Formats: sequence, structure tokens, C-alpha cells
Amino acid sequence: GAVVSQHPSWVICKSGTSVKIECRSLDFQATTMFWYRQFPKQSLMLMATSNEGSKATYEQGVEKDKFLINHASLTLSTLTVTSAHPEDSSFYICSARDIGVDTEAFFGQGTRLTVV
Amino acid sequence: QKEVEQNSGPLSVPEGAIASLNCTYSDRGSQSFFWYRQYSGKSPELIMFIYSNGDKEDGRFTAQLNKASQYVSLLIRDSQPSDSATYLCAGRRTGTASKLTFGTGTRLQVTL
Repeated sequence: GAVVSQHPSWVICKSGTSVKIECRSLDFQATTMFWYRQFPKQSLMLMATSNEGSKATYEQGVEKDKFLINHASLTLSTLTVTSAHPEDSSFYICSARDIGVDTEAFFGQGTRLTVV
Repeated sequence: QKEVEQNSGPLSVPEGAIASLNCTYSDRGSQSFFWYRQYSGKSPELIMFIYSNGDKEDGRFTAQLNKASQYVSLLIRDSQPSDSATYLCAGRRTGTASKLTFGTGTRLQVTL
């Protein structure tokens, strides 16, 4: 299957700092990437849909100024958690869908963010 | 009402038995359905997807879709301890930018 690489796999940061998470499609082009957040023992919650070359579409209740998404190329999307606080600690997962193909999305390995 | 509903479990089955995981959905616009397996602390991995009514088999896994009843299921034959995980059901409308809507997942425990 297609490979989606997410980096870093875990990060610990101080409260008030910003953290950038990268999501790369390694062997295909992805017009659309998705960013999810998952709290312990809960399901994946979609945060935003990232479209190459345009602004991301955020789900209701997700602060666009806090979670900055950039999708500058067909193989890379980034999520920056700005001014992180302990309540932002979570498992962040990206997924990417092959361009022009209405197939399933492939998930990155996830990033465990801990804000102290 | 949640768009995609699953029993949270845990569903406990003995090794070698058939595990049956169920999912219902409310959005009749959903056209394709996906089953993901998620081990604790890991991201989901795709097991199967199904678009058409009926059964779809892949190895020990069979997905079943009934659009009239808005029901999706996943059968795991000859369950193994390594199948113990949370199984996520997701639905999606057509279109490359359409999003997956996940259920809360069913935790499966395969006992020795």
C-alpha cells in the first residue's frame, strides 16, 4: 500500500511554545491530506482537511489560528500547534489520499504530543 | 445520533472463533465504508473497504454491507490473539476530498 510518513513520532514541548508536525506521502501525490486528533480511548476526530495550494478547511470547533496547516506541495502537509498548552497533548495523525483516485486514505504513524 | 455507531465492547472471543464486528450509519449519502484496525498507541491501518452491497472477502476477513439497512459488518475467521485491537468503522461520501467519518471503535479481545 501507499506510504505516508509522519514526523516526529513523538514530541515533548513546554507550554507556550509551538510544534510543527510533518506529513509526507512518499510514493504518491496527495491533493488532499487530513489531520486528526485522538485522545486516549476515543476515536479519531477530524481537525481539518488540507488541500494543496489552498487554505485548509477546518472542522467546527477547531481553532484555525491555533492549528496552522500548510500544504505547499503534493507530497507535504504540515500542522503547527501554536502556543501549545497541556490540553493540546494528544495523538495527532495525518492521512493522505492519492490524487484523482477515489480510494481509501492512508495514515501516517501518528505524533504523540505532550505539552508540559 | 452519531453518524457512525459501533458498540465499544470489549468483544471477547476465544482463539479460533469467528469475531463479528458491527457498525451502523445514518448518512445515506455515504457510499464507501472502511474497516481499520488500531493497536494501542499506533495509527489505524486499513483492513478492508467495501462499496457494494453484499460480501467482500479477503483472507480471514469478510466485510458485509447492507445499504438498505445502513449496516456494515466485519467478520474475522479463525481469530488470533494478534487480532486483539480496536476496530474502527468509517463511512465516506464519494469525491476525492470527502472525509471519513469514524465510529468510536470496538475493542476486540481474542483469548487463548
